[in-house]
Amino acid sequence: AQSVTQLGSHVSVSEGALVLLRCNYSSSVPPYLFWYVQYPNQGLQLLLKYTSAATLVKGINGFEAEFKKSETSFHLTKPSAHMSDAAEYFCAVNLGGTGGFKTIFGAGTRLFVKA
Amino acid sequence: NAGVTQTPKFRVLKTGQSMTLLCAQDMNHEYMYWYRQDPGMGLRLIHYSVGEGTTAKGEVPDGYNVSRLKKQNFLLGLESAAPSQTSVYFCASTRAGDSGELFFGEGSRLTVL
Repeated sequence: AQSVTQLGSHVSVSEGALVLLRCNYSSSVPPYLFWYVQYPNQGLQLLLKYTSAATLVKGINGFEAEFKKSETSFHLTKPSAHMSDAAEYFCAVNLGGTGGFKTIFGAGTRLFVKA
Repeated sequence: NAGVTQTPKFRVLKTGQSMTLLCAQDMNHEYMYWYRQDPGMGLRLIHYSVGEGTTAKGEVPDGYNVSRLKKQNFLLGLESAAPSQTSVYFCASTRAGDSGELFFGEGSRLTVL
């Protein structure tokens, strides 16, 4: 079965430290890949997406992710964490081409940022 | 610039009661979705619609019904609520022919006692 695995349900970093959130997927076809962020009591919003163009994708708020086909990974990074980055992050894979009805979400990783 | 709007945002039901969640989008998107979010499980697709008058089952459709009578609206109904349906429900929409980037509402928190 197709799946998305996010390693670590909780990640804690100090302000100014590197943020690394891991995502691995299983797919037999080239997917569209996404990272969404959810702030408390809000809906999800797109952070960045990979759609088979450049393998290094830049998103909002200084985040970026690299698609590595050989590792089936799409890890999210940010060089320097800010307190406002504290949120829950979801990796998602769209296996169905156009439209999103074959989108699978990971279980989410909650990021804590310590002062 | 509303995007995707869900009503109500909070609701408490007793077991066996019925209710309808309304989702409205003003982006002229063809596809609309209902997800539920539970701790540690990410988002799971309940039902979706690829156009006015058409709906389909997602991963966890049991106990729910949907309707899409107008392109901009997607309704999620619970005919006889159960405690297992306590969750946060999200509506989302996307354009046909796109990569599948989802635009989400702010969520509806439902508690079934």
